[in-house]
Formats: sequence, structure tokens, C-alpha cells
Amino acid sequence: ETGVTQTPRHLVMGMTNKKSLKCEQHLGHNAMYWYKQSAKKPLELMFVYNFKEQTENNSVPSRFSPECPNSSHLFLHLHTLQPEDSALYLCASSQEGRGRAYEQYFGPGTRLTVT
Amino acid sequence: SQQGEEDPQALSIQEGENATMNCSYKTSINNLQWYRQNSGRGLVHLILIRSNEREKHSGRLRVTLDTSKKSSSLLITASRAADTASYFCATDAAAHAGGTSYGKLTFGQGTILTVHP
Repeated sequence: ETGVTQTPRHLVMGMTNKKSLKCEQHLGHNAMYWYKQSAKKPLELMFVYNFKEQTENNSVPSRFSPECPNSSHLFLHLHTLQPEDSALYLCASSQEGRGRAYEQYFGPGTRLTVT
Repeated sequence: SQQGEEDPQALSIQEGENATMNCSYKTSINNLQWYRQNSGRGLVHLILIRSNEREKHSGRLRVTLDTSKKSSSLLITASRAADTASYFCATDAAAHAGGTSYGKLTFGQGTILTVHP
């Protein structure tokens, strides 16, 4: 257990569905992240939140919409996805300070399949 | 090419042997980190080495950093079947947005290590 939980662990959705991924961290960290991991590609950073404020949106299509209601919770709202969005979506948290990236703690991921 | 490229892409060894993985990167960094991922799971942080450090140990892990060559290596000694996983290096470079300075990790594509019993 890393102190970061993600639900659901597996999700199959059609292209017209709307669903949400949830992440919760129990570590008291001030930064949270969404990553996308596709086969044969490096881990892609999607969004970064520091103290609930979004500080990075890595040119992610608008069909992915993040929400960070507090420093412990992070959501990724999904709508009208494409089959190429099928991937493992990983949430992570860390304690950031003074512009340095320290160790990140990852959740187990949500395996998303878009049909 | 990517910041943080691992080499080799795949490594297959016998239990008891040592495994060495390399990482090269392109820009100046604050620190370099190594992570491990078991199949289909989240990443687990292994070790962080700062830009002013040259070598670091943690149990059976030994990490070196050569900032002049922009490269790092991860050595796993006396490997076990349970070490079978993907290993990633990640580099930290400072980023800025809206007056806020924050850290940003860039991951490489990883090395798939298979340790045969």
C-alpha cells in the first residue's frame, strides 16, 4: 500500500459514456498528478495540481476534465472518449517544495478500455 | 528523443546475477529518480539521487549519476525472481506556471527486467 488509492480499478466504457476516475491520497501531500500509460510509450503527465490549483495541463484533449476539490482528492472526468484513450491511468501524489520534484507515490491505476 | 531514455529496453538474467540498467537524459536536472513497476500496477519509488551526488545505495540497489555525461545507472545485485518488473528513470526539472515554481518529473520508456529462477 502506497497511501494512494484509485477507483475503479477497471473500467470499460463506450465512446458516448461519461464516467469519472477517483484518486485519494492519505499522505498529507500538497501535489497530485494524473498520468497516462499506454503500451510502448513513456509515462505521459496529463495534469498537475499544487495546493488544489492546476499548474500543468499537458495539452490534454478537453474530453478529459480534472477536478481537485481538496488536496486529498483528485478526479478525472471522462466524456466522449476515443478507442486510443484506452490505457492505464495513474494517479500520484508528492510533497512539493521550492520548485523541486521529490518522490511520487502512485496509486494502483485504473485500466480503461474504450469500446 | 525522450528525456530519460533507458537502456537496454529489455534484460533477461538468472537469479543471483547482477542487473544493470542505464538512463540518459538531455537537460540539466535537480535530481534523478528510479521507479519500479510490476505488470499493470502503479509505480513504486526506489531511490532519488541529487544532482550534486555521484553514488547512492539502498539495500541491493546502487545508483550512480554522471552529470557531465547526463547519464545514470541502476545496479541490482544478487537479483531475485521477485525483482522481475519494469524499471523507469525520471528526471526532475523545475517548471513555472502563474508565478508558482513546481517540480515536474519526466519519465523514460523503461527497462523490462526478467529474472529467471
